[in-house]
Amino acid sequence: DTGVSQNPRHKITKRGQNVTFRCDPISEHNRLYWYRQTLGQGPEFLTYFQNEAQLEKSRLLSDRFSAERPKGSFSTLEIQRTEQGDSAMYLCASRGTGELNEKLFFGSGTQLSVL
Amino acid sequence: GQSLEQPSEVTAVEGAIVQINCTYQTSGFYGLSWYQQHDGGAPTFLSYNGLDGLEETGRFSSFLSRSDSYGYLLLQELQMKDSASYFCAVTDEGDKLIFGTGTRLQVFP
Repeated sequence: DTGVSQNPRHKITKRGQNVTFRCDPISEHNRLYWYRQTLGQGPEFLTYFQNEAQLEKSRLLSDRFSAERPKGSFSTLEIQRTEQGDSAMYLCASRGTGELNEKLFFGSGTQLSVL
Repeated sequence: GQSLEQPSEVTAVEGAIVQINCTYQTSGFYGLSWYQQHDGGAPTFLSYNGLDGLEETGRFSSFLSRSDSYGYLLLQELQMKDSASYFCAVTDEGDKLIFGTGTRLQVFP
């Protein structure tokens, strides 16, 4: 059990570019969540998967954001046409069956800076 | 809408006891959790209350009153390493966690 892994740790991009982040959850965890966190704020829910099915996406989330979990293992989060307001820490978390529903295991995040 | 309110900052000295309150207003409620996050680190799970009352885990305890939409995290015998941000989170009807804005705890020697 190596924990939740996120890549890259840091991403600097220019406004208008597309970026993609990857999350590798703890193996055999069927639930995978994406959150966004800005300085001084709590994690903000973006979307989550159960296995390969995307069960919910935040209504606040722009259409520029899309996430996939094609084989029910790793997940990718893509942001198209990035804006400066997208600058944040993007956190991934996973949870397994048999675990307390509320016990999420978070990765260290991908820090996105849009110039 | 959904909102969770916590104090933005709390300070205390080593060895002291500190209580971090959380009031919530959510469309659905299935429990209150607490997470700790050190600067630059990932949030880590501390505790969960699904029913009213007190849950104790070592130096940390958490309390919930569903009728008051209120809970708190109690940290005893504070240590320098407890300096971190603490978030309450509500499990909503979509089975996902909604986090509060967080309380930054600073422990002084």
